[in-house]
Amino acid sequence: EDQVTQSPEALRLQEGESSSLNCSYTVSGLRGLFWYRQDPGKGPEFLFTLYSAGEEKEKERLKATLTKKESFLHITAPKPEDSATYLCAVQDRGSTLGRLYFGRGTQLTVWP
Amino acid sequence: EAQVTQNPRYLITVTGKKLTVTCSQNMNHEYMSWYRQDPGLGLRQIYYSMNVEVTDKGDVPEGYKVSRKEKRNFPLILESPSPNQTSLYFCASSFLFVGSHHNEQFFGPGTRLTVL
Repeated sequence: EDQVTQSPEALRLQEGESSSLNCSYTVSGLRGLFWYRQDPGKGPEFLFTLYSAGEEKEKERLKATLTKKESFLHITAPKPEDSATYLCAVQDRGSTLGRLYFGRGTQLTVWP
Repeated sequence: EAQVTQNPRYLITVTGKKLTVTCSQNMNHEYMSWYRQDPGLGLRQIYYSMNVEVTDKGDVPEGYKVSRKEKRNFPLILESPSPNQTSLYFCASSFLFVGSHHNEQFFGPGTRLTVL
């Protein structure tokens, strides 16, 4: 059973069309939740860390939120350069420190 | 420039021929980790290291070895590679804050390995 499930698997948006990506997790206790962006052929690039329910973080057109069961990555008025795969990862208090569980990602395409 | 480097970037080899993928970071990070990325399966953790001489297994450690003799280096060793280890491999590193919060990980550029 996956500890981290991301949806949708793929999302196509027109430029300026806002939407949200979902990351749901099943861990015994959340130590931290992380969002990364990955461009084709490159390593993931860090976006946000969230630690507790109710926490929110923003960066340009991206806003990450966290509840007790899931996290959302909201994309406001996206541009073509926001096209990438977005990865979610969690650190579980029930696992040894250092273990990270990644979701399979959401591939976002923003067309002009 | 702060970075994580991996070598080689591309490697084609044959079954059973031992190989090592090197990973080095210049940020004085305590934590380092290896992942493999396969289509439809996402990133899976192979091994990680909390500091020098401290390593532990991730999701998929079978067929891999690691060592952490120096803080900056964390090589991944495949003693007898098999075709099911064909994958894209990423090394990552980060600081470890007091209080066990995991800081952001910096990823290397990836090593694409093909085992024939």
